[in-house]
Amino acid sequence: NAGVTQTPKFQVLKTGQSMTLQCAQDMNHEYMSWYRQDPGMGLRLIHYSVGAGITDQGEVPNGYNVSRSTTEDFPLRLLSAAPSQTSVYFCASSPVGAGNQPQHFGDGTRLSIL
Amino acid sequence: GNSVTQMEGPVTLSEEAFLTINCTYTATGYPSLFWYVQYPGEGLQLLLKATKADDKGSNKGFEATYRKETTSFHLEKGSVQVSDSAVYFCALIQGAQKLVFGQGTRLTINP
Repeated sequence: NAGVTQTPKFQVLKTGQSMTLQCAQDMNHEYMSWYRQDPGMGLRLIHYSVGAGITDQGEVPNGYNVSRSTTEDFPLRLLSAAPSQTSVYFCASSPVGAGNQPQHFGDGTRLSIL
Repeated sequence: GNSVTQMEGPVTLSEEAFLTINCTYTATGYPSLFWYVQYPGEGLQLLLKATKADDKGSNKGFEATYRKETTSFHLEKGSVQVSDSAVYFCALIQGAQKLVFGQGTRLTINP
């Protein structure tokens, strides 16, 4: 059972480059989300989706785009990377509609912007 | 808006010591409360949860009680082990599946 799979695990980019962080889950979860983790700030929500074709902004959406064409996949796009986007990115999924259901996290993508 | 505040770390203890990591929250209504744990190089894993006032969540020797009167959800363990070394996050959910995290507390247990 793969759970939530994130690729790549590590990436170094130059300022201004674009890239896509991949996230896939095999649990048929409707809800998926992206967080960034920065020292001393916990995890902050970037974007989330409650189902295929539906996305919405979280706390820190600027500089990131998402789409949800299938239930399984929820890629995160950096349009023009900036050093402030250096962080560890986590994707998570859970069943929708049950507020006390835990979210399942991937192992993260460590991204450095030079 | 909703928020979670954890005690600042890092916390360093000796093996078999008693552990408390404080967590308080601000929310309207009745959120569900969680503790997540992150081991080095890994994603977050759910450690325990409580969904209503006075509920006690427990797992792997850890416990936390949902205290609405003090808006707290402190994490405790009676005797920690080296393998408990990790970063611990307190979090809440209130509607729409949006998790709100505390800043995390790094715990190191020395043998």
